[in-house]
Amino acid sequence: DARVTQTPRHKVTEMGQEVTMRCQPILGHNTVFWYRQTMMQGLELLAYFRNRAPLDDSGMPKDRFSAEMPDATLATLKIQPSEPRDSAVYFCASGHGSIWWTGELFFGEGSRLTVL
Amino acid sequence: AQKVTQAQTEISVVEKEDVTLDCVYETRDTTYYLFWYKQPPSGELVFLIRRNSFDEQNEISGRYSWNFQKSTSSFNFTITASQVVDSAVYFCALSEGPYSGGSNYKLTFGKGTLLTVNP
Repeated sequence: DARVTQTPRHKVTEMGQEVTMRCQPILGHNTVFWYRQTMMQGLELLAYFRNRAPLDDSGMPKDRFSAEMPDATLATLKIQPSEPRDSAVYFCASGHGSIWWTGELFFGEGSRLTVL
Repeated sequence: AQKVTQAQTEISVVEKEDVTLDCVYETRDTTYYLFWYKQPPSGELVFLIRRNSFDEQNEISGRYSWNFQKSTSSFNFTITASQVVDSAVYFCALSEGPYSGGSNYKLTFGKGTLLTVNP
């Protein structure tokens, strides 16, 4: 049963520390998304990639966030330095990117980040 | 800019009741897609359905049905004979159509509706 795998599932860190979240998309999926979920803002798109190339990262605070896909099996989201307002659940999702895309995104279970 | 509004923050029903989750959207695109996703307590979002803007036929899948009305920019979701396992947060989402220059993968989500089905 193919799944999107995210690590860590939970992370508690102190303000100013670097945080790296990792995502293994489903094999064969060429589109990868990072979403952030908070009570106040709901689900916000941070960045997305197609064939490992970043297509849109306009939702991401550029001064502290960075997203990369070193290879087709790994996507990373890094926060440096972290701040308490970054506390949220971060979701990775993958899908088949094509003009006939069904819209079905496969989400990971999320990484719950708490910045103290 | 695209916007999805789910006015119902929380709904609580008793098992076997029918329940409708409302979704209203705004977009300037002439072609677009609408979606519903379910987020159970385990956390991951699960895809339920996609509708094209040019297909206003209602859809039924088991106890689930969707009513798409372009005239009112609404895409409502009804669960018939609700069950405790339906308890989850449900998200409505919108994306641009496939001829919009490559950004059709970008979903704009509503804030979600928490559905609680009590035994």
